[in-house]
Amino acid sequence: DQQVKQNSPSLSVQEGRISILNCDYTNSMFDYFLWYKKYPAEGPTFLISISSIKDKNEDGRFTVFLNKSAKHLSLHIVPSQPGDSAVYFCAASARAGTALIFGKGTTLSVSS
Amino acid sequence: EAGVTQSPTHLIKTRGQQATLRCSPISGHTSVYWYQQALGLGLQFLLWYDEGEERNRGNFPPRFSGRQFPNYSSELNVNALELEDSALYLCASSPQWGGDTEAFFGQGTRLTVV
Repeated sequence: DQQVKQNSPSLSVQEGRISILNCDYTNSMFDYFLWYKKYPAEGPTFLISISSIKDKNEDGRFTVFLNKSAKHLSLHIVPSQPGDSAVYFCAASARAGTALIFGKGTTLSVSS
Repeated sequence: EAGVTQSPTHLIKTRGQQATLRCSPISGHTSVYWYQQALGLGLQFLLWYDEGEERNRGNFPPRFSGRQFPNYSSELNVNALELEDSALYLCASSPQWGGDTEAFFGQGTRLTVV
């Protein structure tokens, strides 16, 4: 079963607008959530994370929101830039010790 | 500081052969994760090692195996290669087991089975 789900395979946004990428999880043991960005033929690079004790974390243009009751998190990118075009992966882990589990990714395309 | 390094970058094998992929974690990191990214799919969790022990295993057949050495580097072995094993294999390391910390990825090994 898929413990981390990214239900939108792709998202297209215009430069300067907001990009919202969504992620749902099923395992209630997860308490640490991360977003990674991946370009073709490269390894994923860490973008931003959030602990389950918070509901929001900001880093520049990137903000992650966590709704624990809904088991849902989202990544907001404002304003979106063409260089943000990449595959974005949501990931989750548990302090009790689970591996980092990834969603299938969402391909973001930002047009100028 | 050197990042996660993987070797080889590319590997071409024939169906039925064995492949060995290697990963050196960031200095000081004790946890190593292996993931498979097949065409059109996300990052499928394969194996997780920490302090030399296998901590968790993904939903892959036993012909996918590995180990972690005393210096925390790791090896992924794939036996009896099948065409569908062709994928990008990614290794990641993190400083500790559990806790609030991100994993850092290498560039991956592109395995092609012909």
